[in-house]
Parts: sequence; C-alpha cells; structure tokens
Amino acid sequence: EPEVTQTPSHQVTQMGQEVILRCVPISNHLYFYWYRQILGQKVEFLVSFYNNEISEKSEIFDDQFSVERPDGSNFTLKIRSTKLEDSAMYFCASSVGLAGTNEQFFGPGTRLTVL
Amino acid sequence: AQSVAQPEDQVNVAEGNPLTVKCTYSVSGNPYLFWYVQYPNRGLQFLLKYITGDNLVKGSYGFEAEFNKSQTSFHLKKPSALVSDSALYFCAVRANTGNQFYFGTGTSLTVIP
Repeated sequence: EPEVTQTPSHQVTQMGQEVILRCVPISNHLYFYWYRQILGQKVEFLVSFYNNEISEKSEIFDDQFSVERPDGSNFTLKIRSTKLEDSAMYFCASSVGLAGTNEQFFGPGTRLTVL
Repeated sequence: AQSVAQPEDQVNVAEGNPLTVKCTYSVSGNPYLFWYVQYPNRGLQFLLKYITGDNLVKGSYGFEAEFNKSQTSFHLKKPSALVSDSALYFCAVRANTGNQFYFGTGTSLTVIP
C-alpha cells in the first residue's frame, strides 16, 4: 500500500539554524500539506500546496517558513531561523484531490527539537 | 472560528466492551468531519468521515461515528473493543470551504485485556 514518507524521523538543531524537513507524498497525489503538533497540544494546520503554489496557509506559517516541491517526488518544509517554540512533531500529508472530499494520507512525522 | 474539542485525554475500556471516544466541533456552515488514529511511530491513519447523508457512518476496523447536528458532536464508537484498538485518536473538522483541517488534541484509548 502506498504511503507518505518523511525524513528524518528526528532532527535536533540549534536555535537560529535553518532546517529542511522532507516528505515524499504518494505518487499520484496532487495536494500536499504540512501540519505540526507541539507536545501535548493540537495538531495544527500550517500550509497546503497545489499546482506548485501555496493554496492556503495558517497564521503560524509566517515568513520563517517556506515550502517547495523541488522535483516530482519531494515536498519540503524549510524553517529559516529556528526558534525554541518551533520544537514540535511535523506531519506531511497528501491527497489525490481537495481535502475533505478526499482522504488525506499522513506521514509518520519528523520530531524537531530546537535547543 | 473553527475548532474541535475532545474532552477526554484518556479513555480506558475492557476488551469486548463497547467504546466511545467523544468529539464536539464548532464550524461555520456544514462541517466535514473526520476521525484519524495514530499508532506509535506511525502517521495519522484515516478511519472514517462524514460529509453528507446518513448520520451514522461506518469506517475501518469496525469503527463507526454518529453525526449529531443539534449537539454538534461526532462521537467515535465501536461495539466491541479489541486490545489492538489501543492508540491515539484524533477528531478533525473542515469547513465546507478551504482546505484547512482543525484537529482535536487527541484521546488516548487503552483497551484492557
């Protein structure tokens, strides 16, 4: 069964450093998403991406964040200058069509720890 | 504003007994409602969804959920719990416009043998 994969599973970085979280969505999916979950809190929507551009983003997704689909398979989330409060589990997801009417498939997550 | 509440952080149930995991929501317009399950070190797995139609929806692994518009609830149920159902369960809602999902904080279900 196809699945969304994410690398690395755990990333430790120093405050102020740039990190790139990587995702490989399911191959025939057209919509891509990033979510995050701070420990003990809700899963929060960050951004959705379709047709090589951001289709929707939340208030959390500020100028420190960017997303890219550099090739036909990867979907990345970059945090330019990490802050302590960026420590969280980051989930990538993809769907074949619009979320809601189409199921989102989630990856296992990347745990980001900012020291 | 859109939001989801899962009032119980932890639910314990004996194997073979019925289980309920509660979810209430707040959304403008008609909601799209979802349940996801997360096993350790795995991503969120889709269980079931309600978009329209019959208020009782059936999903994977014998789970079902009932949409109750007047109570703005979408509780997850299963008639007979299995030990393998022990996991973290998330309720989510999407408004009928936009792509943004709103998740609850999750409920940890433990099924006791």
